[in-house]
Amino acid sequence: EAQVTQNPRYLITVTGKKLTVTCSQNMNHEYMSWYRQDPGLGLRQIYYSMNVEVTDKGDVPEGYKVSRKEKRNFPLILESPSPNQTSLYFCASSLTGSYNEQFFGPGTRLTVL
Amino acid sequence: AQSVTQPDIHITVSEGASLELRCNYSYGATPYLFWYVQSPGQGLQLLLKYFSGDTLVQGIKGFEAEFKRSQSSFNLRKPSVHWSDAAEYFCAVGPGYSSASKIIFGSGTRLSIRP
Repeated sequence: EAQVTQNPRYLITVTGKKLTVTCSQNMNHEYMSWYRQDPGLGLRQIYYSMNVEVTDKGDVPEGYKVSRKEKRNFPLILESPSPNQTSLYFCASSLTGSYNEQFFGPGTRLTVL
Repeated sequence: AQSVTQPDIHITVSEGASLELRCNYSYGATPYLFWYVQSPGQGLQLLLKYFSGDTLVQGIKGFEAEFKRSQSSFNLRKPSVHWSDAAEYFCAVGPGYSSASKIIFGSGTRLSIRP
């Protein structure tokens, strides 16, 4: 089944404890992206990647890191999480670029205490 | 600055009634335009998209949207809503050239259906 998977789905952590949210797609898509969703703000793009080893900042990259060493994986890293990063995170992928249909993962709900 | 505005935070319509969700954008050039739907507890799913050509586009689940350049709008419509249409709807805009891939989402409109 074609899909985007994220792990974990739920995470509660404490300020400053490094964490990684994994994202994987099995559709051989070139484009992958991370978003955070907050009430009243919709989805905001954190980082995106056009292909392996090619990443770029979205609108809210501060406090996040990404890497794209393999085509299928695009992990989101929070080196030192803070409470303002408490949010619902979505990973998405598309064939090439955001102008193609993006397929979204199920989301990761992160709480930073 | 590039932006997408969905002026209605929450809309309630009766089952079987028509629906129009508003979307206005501010962009430097002709953008790509999208509508996505998010059912409760789910990720987003593409309803339809506009790149060029016919300004009235048809999507899945009986939805359509009309691009009006003069009004910078891309409103979503459905002639008769079903209870299963209750969800949150997001308008999104991307650059109208293939090499860039930033995309901006609106803040969403939550749709409730009255039985």
